[in-house]
Amino acid sequence: DTAVSQTPKYLVTQMGNDKSIKCEQNLGHDTMYWYKQDSKKFLKIMFSYNNKELIINETVPNRFSPKSPDKAHLNLHINSLELGDSAVYFCASSQNRQHGYTFGSGTRLTVV
Amino acid sequence: AQKVTQAQTEISVVEKEDVTLDCVYETRDTTYYLFWYKQPPSGELVFLIRRNSFDEQNEISGRYSWNFQKSTSSFNFTITASQVVDSAVYFCALQVSGGSYIPTFGRGTSLIVHP
Repeated sequence: DTAVSQTPKYLVTQMGNDKSIKCEQNLGHDTMYWYKQDSKKFLKIMFSYNNKELIINETVPNRFSPKSPDKAHLNLHINSLELGDSAVYFCASSQNRQHGYTFGSGTRLTVV
Repeated sequence: AQKVTQAQTEISVVEKEDVTLDCVYETRDTTYYLFWYKQPPSGELVFLIRRNSFDEQNEISGRYSWNFQKSTSSFNFTITASQVVDSAVYFCALQVSGGSYIPTFGRGTSLIVHP
């Protein structure tokens, strides 16, 4: 059983398109996150959801929007994709905000 | 503000060598957590360890050991008798208690273990 699963694993799309990445965790964790990893491996927090409430929203463009239908899911919607959005996006969850993360396998987004 | 420095960008060793990955952190908070994560070439991120600021005991897990020293604000990671499968990027992270609880990640150290 995959603890944190995200789909798709690869996503190639054209500039200007709208896309979504799905994330589901079956660990019963309270908090879920989205991270962006750039080409230099730098990890940047994008969003955090705790009990369906957005508790962190870093300075990301409003083209990015998280959607959490329930505690086990945190999807990422991206509108009007730009070349600079190309990166690997990781979903993660944690038991609470003080524990280590369990990460999904990542989604490599390529905008052409 | 919090900061994590992993000064070693890349380390290259030969199998069976011991290797230490350095992590130096900065925070004014007295309660915080330190983490190490591993990212192998396959790309996933794997949690390795969490240590809180009140527990300075060193930890050993098989060939992995961690040395936490508050006096030098360091949380170093040693791999004994390295193996090719240890080749990965290793991230150190710092999370303070309270506030957003969002960890600050270091830039990562790429470890290459040659056969």
